[in-house]
Amino acid sequence: AQKITQTQPGMFVQEKEAVTLDCTYDTSDPSYGLFWYKQPSSGEMIFLIYQGSYDQQNATEGRYSLNFQKARKSANLVISASQLGDSAMYFCAMSGLMYSGGGADGLTFGKGTHLIIQP
Amino acid sequence: DSGVTQTPKHLITATGQRVTLRCSPRSGDLSVYWYQQSLDQGLQFLIQYYNGEERAKGNILERFSAQQFPDLHSELNLSSLELGDSALYFCASSVGDRGISPLHFGNGTRLTVT
Repeated sequence: AQKITQTQPGMFVQEKEAVTLDCTYDTSDPSYGLFWYKQPSSGEMIFLIYQGSYDQQNATEGRYSLNFQKARKSANLVISASQLGDSAMYFCAMSGLMYSGGGADGLTFGKGTHLIIQP
Repeated sequence: DSGVTQTPKHLITATGQRVTLRCSPRSGDLSVYWYQQSLDQGLQFLIQYYNGEERAKGNILERFSAQQFPDLHSELNLSSLELGDSALYFCASSVGDRGISPLHFGNGTRLTVT
Protein backbone atom coordinates (compact mmCIF):
# COMPACT_ATOMS: atom_id res chain seq x y z
CA ALA A 1 0.00 0.00 0.00
CA GLN A 2 1.10 3.53 -0.68
CA LYS A 3 0.93 6.41 1.74
CA ILE A 4 1.53 10.12 1.38
CA THR A 5 2.08 12.36 4.39
CA GLN A 6 1.85 16.12 4.29
CA THR A 7 2.63 17.41 7.75
CA GLN A 8 1.77 21.09 7.21
CA PRO A 9 -2.00 21.62 7.29
CA GLY A 10 -1.55 25.32 6.69
CA MET A 11 1.18 27.84 5.93
CA PHE A 12 1.36 31.64 5.83
CA VAL A 13 4.12 33.10 3.67
CA GLN A 14 5.03 36.65 2.69
CA GLU A 15 4.76 37.50 -0.96
CA LYS A 16 8.01 37.05 -2.93
CA GLU A 17 9.45 34.63 -0.42
CA ALA A 18 10.30 31.06 -1.38
CA VAL A 19 8.03 28.32 -0.04
CA THR A 20 8.77 24.68 0.70
CA LEU A 21 5.84 22.32 1.06
CA ASP A 22 6.73 19.02 2.69
CA CYS A 23 5.77 15.60 1.41
CA THR A 24 6.96 12.19 2.53
CA TYR A 25 5.82 8.94 1.05
CA ASP A 26 5.89 5.24 1.66
CA THR A 27 5.66 2.54 -0.95
CA SER A 28 6.93 -0.94 -1.71
CA ASP A 29 6.77 -0.35 -5.46
CA PRO A 30 10.19 -0.25 -7.12
CA SER A 31 8.95 2.22 -9.71
CA TYR A 32 6.66 5.11 -8.94
CA GLY A 33 5.81 8.65 -9.80
CA LEU A 34 5.40 11.66 -7.56
CA PHE A 35 3.11 14.54 -8.41
CA TRP A 36 2.09 17.89 -7.04
CA TYR A 37 -1.28 19.45 -7.70
CA LYS A 38 -2.70 22.87 -6.85
CA GLN A 39 -6.35 23.35 -5.97
CA PRO A 40 -7.44 26.99 -5.82
CA SER A 41 -10.63 27.98 -4.04
CA SER A 42 -12.48 27.62 -7.33
CA GLY A 43 -12.01 23.87 -6.99
CA GLU A 44 -10.15 22.68 -10.07
CA MET A 45 -7.09 20.44 -9.72
CA ILE A 46 -4.10 21.83 -11.56
CA PHE A 47 -1.11 19.61 -12.32
CA LEU A 48 2.15 21.33 -11.35
CA ILE A 49 5.08 18.96 -11.55
CA TYR A 50 6.06 15.31 -11.85
CA GLN A 51 9.08 13.32 -10.67
CA GLY A 52 9.77 9.74 -11.67
CA SER A 53 11.45 7.53 -9.13
CA TYR A 54 14.33 6.75 -11.50
CA ASP A 55 14.84 10.30 -12.71
CA GLN A 56 18.38 11.38 -11.94
CA GLN A 57 17.63 15.06 -11.71
CA ASN A 58 15.05 16.96 -9.70
CA ALA A 59 12.12 18.13 -11.76
CA THR A 60 11.58 21.82 -12.42
CA GLU A 61 8.69 23.67 -14.05
CA GLY A 62 9.04 27.42 -14.06
CA ARG A 63 8.84 28.63 -10.45
CA TYR A 64 8.15 25.11 -9.21
CA SER A 65 10.82 22.59 -8.37
CA LEU A 66 10.62 19.23 -6.69
CA ASN A 67 13.27 18.43 -4.11
CA PHE A 68 13.38 14.65 -4.45
CA GLN A 69 15.33 12.73 -1.83
CA LYS A 70 14.76 9.07 -2.54
CA ALA A 71 16.60 7.68 0.47
CA ARG A 72 14.53 9.87 2.77
CA LYS A 73 11.36 9.17 0.78
CA SER A 74 10.60 12.84 0.50
CA ALA A 75 9.37 14.92 -2.41
CA ASN A 76 9.08 18.50 -1.27
CA LEU A 77 7.67 21.17 -3.54
CA VAL A 78 9.58 24.44 -3.70
CA ILE A 79 7.88 27.55 -5.04
CA SER A 80 10.27 30.38 -5.73
CA ALA A 81 9.26 34.04 -5.51
CA SER A 82 5.74 33.35 -4.27
CA GLN A 83 2.82 35.36 -5.63
CA LEU A 84 -0.62 36.13 -4.26
CA GLY A 85 -2.09 33.81 -6.88
CA ASP A 86 -0.20 30.90 -5.34
CA SER A 87 -2.66 30.86 -2.44
CA ALA A 88 -4.38 27.49 -2.70
CA MET A 89 -4.44 23.92 -1.41
CA TYR A 90 -1.46 21.88 -2.54
CA PHE A 91 -1.59 18.13 -2.80
CA CYS A 92 1.26 15.69 -3.07
CA ALA A 93 0.39 12.42 -4.77
CA MET A 94 2.06 9.26 -5.91
CA SER A 95 1.43 6.36 -8.23
CA GLY A 96 2.95 2.97 -8.63
CA LEU A 97 2.64 -0.22 -10.57
CA MET A 98 0.39 -3.01 -9.49
CA TYR A 99 2.14 -6.29 -9.99
CA SER A 100 -1.03 -8.21 -10.61
CA GLY A 101 -2.71 -7.47 -13.91
CA GLY A 102 -0.13 -4.93 -14.96
CA GLY A 103 -2.48 -2.09 -14.37
CA ALA A 104 -1.96 1.00 -12.33
CA ASP A 105 -3.58 2.22 -9.19
CA GLY A 106 -4.95 5.66 -9.26
CA LEU A 107 -2.95 8.30 -7.54
CA THR A 108 -2.73 8.24 -3.77
CA PHE A 109 -3.10 11.75 -2.40
CA GLY A 110 -1.96 13.38 0.80
CA LYS A 111 -4.31 15.48 2.93
CA GLY A 112 -2.96 18.68 1.45
CA THR A 113 -1.37 21.92 2.66
CA HIS A 114 -3.34 25.14 2.63
CA LEU A 115 -0.92 27.83 1.51
CA ILE A 116 -1.78 31.48 2.04
CA ILE A 117 0.44 34.15 0.52
CA GLN A 118 0.28 37.46 2.35
CA PRO A 119 1.06 40.83 0.71
CA ASP B 1 -7.75 24.52 -19.23
CA SER B 2 -6.81 20.88 -18.71
CA GLY B 3 -8.76 19.65 -21.74
CA VAL B 4 -10.85 17.30 -19.59
CA THR B 5 -14.57 18.12 -19.70
CA GLN B 6 -16.98 17.17 -16.95
CA THR B 7 -20.71 17.68 -16.94
CA PRO B 8 -22.72 18.79 -15.13
CA LYS B 9 -20.85 21.24 -12.91
CA HIS B 10 -23.42 21.05 -10.17
CA LEU B 11 -26.02 18.45 -9.31
CA ILE B 12 -28.58 18.60 -6.54
CA THR B 13 -30.72 15.56 -5.92
CA ALA B 14 -32.57 13.71 -3.20
CA THR B 15 -31.65 10.63 -1.23
CA GLY B 16 -32.44 7.40 -2.99
CA GLN B 17 -32.08 8.87 -6.44
CA ARG B 18 -29.70 7.94 -9.24
CA VAL B 19 -27.41 10.30 -11.17
CA THR B 20 -24.93 10.05 -14.01
CA LEU B 21 -21.76 12.09 -14.23
CA ARG B 22 -20.07 12.43 -17.58
CA CYS B 23 -16.44 12.94 -18.55
CA SER B 24 -14.66 13.56 -21.83
CA PRO B 25 -10.91 13.00 -21.57
CA ARG B 26 -8.20 15.05 -23.21
CA SER B 27 -7.67 14.32 -26.86
CA GLY B 28 -5.33 11.35 -27.17
CA ASP B 29 -5.66 10.20 -23.57
CA LEU B 30 -6.77 6.59 -23.21
CA SER B 31 -7.05 6.37 -19.42
CA VAL B 32 -9.88 7.84 -17.41
CA TYR B 33 -9.90 7.97 -13.63
CA TRP B 34 -12.69 8.91 -11.25
CA TYR B 35 -12.06 10.48 -7.85
CA GLN B 36 -14.24 11.59 -4.99
CA GLN B 37 -13.24 14.54 -2.84
CA SER B 38 -14.95 15.14 0.47
CA LEU B 39 -13.91 17.09 3.53
CA ASP B 40 -13.59 14.06 5.78
CA GLN B 41 -12.11 11.55 3.32
CA GLY B 42 -9.97 13.80 1.17
CA LEU B 43 -9.31 12.68 -2.41
CA GLN B 44 -10.27 9.06 -2.91
CA PHE B 45 -9.56 7.06 -6.04
CA LEU B 46 -12.67 5.29 -7.26
CA ILE B 47 -11.94 3.54 -10.54
CA GLN B 48 -9.82 3.62 -13.67
CA TYR B 49 -10.56 2.68 -17.26
CA TYR B 50 -8.05 2.25 -20.03
CA ASN B 51 -9.20 2.15 -23.63
CA GLY B 52 -12.62 0.90 -22.66
CA GLU B 53 -11.60 -1.68 -20.09
CA GLU B 54 -11.67 -1.45 -16.33
CA ARG B 55 -8.06 -1.31 -15.15
CA ALA B 56 -8.10 -0.63 -11.44
CA LYS B 57 -10.59 -0.25 -8.66
CA GLY B 58 -10.24 1.81 -5.54
CA ASN B 59 -12.73 2.70 -2.84
CA ILE B 60 -15.78 2.51 -5.05
CA LEU B 61 -19.06 1.55 -3.43
CA GLU B 62 -21.21 -1.19 -4.93
CA ARG B 63 -23.91 1.44 -5.50
CA PHE B 64 -21.54 3.18 -7.88
CA SER B 65 -20.57 1.99 -11.33
CA ALA B 66 -18.72 3.38 -14.28
CA GLN B 67 -17.94 2.64 -17.87
CA GLN B 68 -15.82 3.96 -20.69
CA PHE B 69 -17.32 4.05 -24.15
CA PRO B 70 -15.68 3.41 -27.54
CA ASP B 71 -15.24 7.15 -28.05
CA LEU B 72 -13.36 7.12 -24.70
CA HIS B 73 -15.77 9.28 -22.79
CA SER B 74 -16.75 7.88 -19.44
CA GLU B 75 -19.75 7.95 -17.17
CA LEU B 76 -19.97 7.44 -13.43
CA ASN B 77 -23.35 6.22 -12.21
CA LEU B 78 -24.29 6.79 -8.59
CA SER B 79 -27.44 5.09 -7.33
CA SER B 80 -29.45 4.86 -4.11
CA LEU B 81 -27.83 8.10 -3.13
CA GLU B 82 -27.18 8.89 0.51
CA LEU B 83 -26.39 12.17 2.23
CA GLY B 84 -22.80 11.01 2.64
CA ASP B 85 -22.37 10.80 -1.13
CA SER B 86 -22.35 14.59 -1.30
CA ALA B 87 -18.89 15.46 -2.60
CA LEU B 88 -16.88 16.84 -5.48
CA TYR B 89 -16.39 14.17 -8.12
CA PHE B 90 -13.41 14.52 -10.41
CA CYS B 91 -12.59 12.85 -13.64
CA ALA B 92 -8.98 12.76 -14.78
CA SER B 93 -7.27 11.44 -17.86
CA SER B 94 -3.78 10.42 -18.86
CA VAL B 95 -2.02 9.10 -21.89
CA GLY B 96 -1.02 5.73 -20.51
CA ASP B 97 -2.26 3.27 -17.97
CA ARG B 98 0.80 2.87 -15.79
CA GLY B 99 0.11 5.76 -13.48
CA ILE B 100 3.48 7.33 -14.14
CA SER B 101 2.23 9.93 -16.56
CA PRO B 102 0.52 13.01 -15.18
CA LEU B 103 -3.20 12.93 -14.61
CA HIS B 104 -5.08 15.94 -15.90
CA PHE B 105 -8.23 16.72 -13.99
CA GLY B 106 -11.52 18.15 -15.07
CA ASN B 107 -13.21 20.90 -13.08
CA GLY B 108 -15.32 18.41 -11.20
CA THR B 109 -19.01 17.83 -10.58
CA ARG B 110 -20.28 19.02 -7.24
CA LEU B 111 -22.97 16.63 -6.05
CA THR B 112 -25.31 17.64 -3.27
CA VAL B 113 -27.68 15.02 -1.90
CA THR B 114 -30.52 16.45 0.19
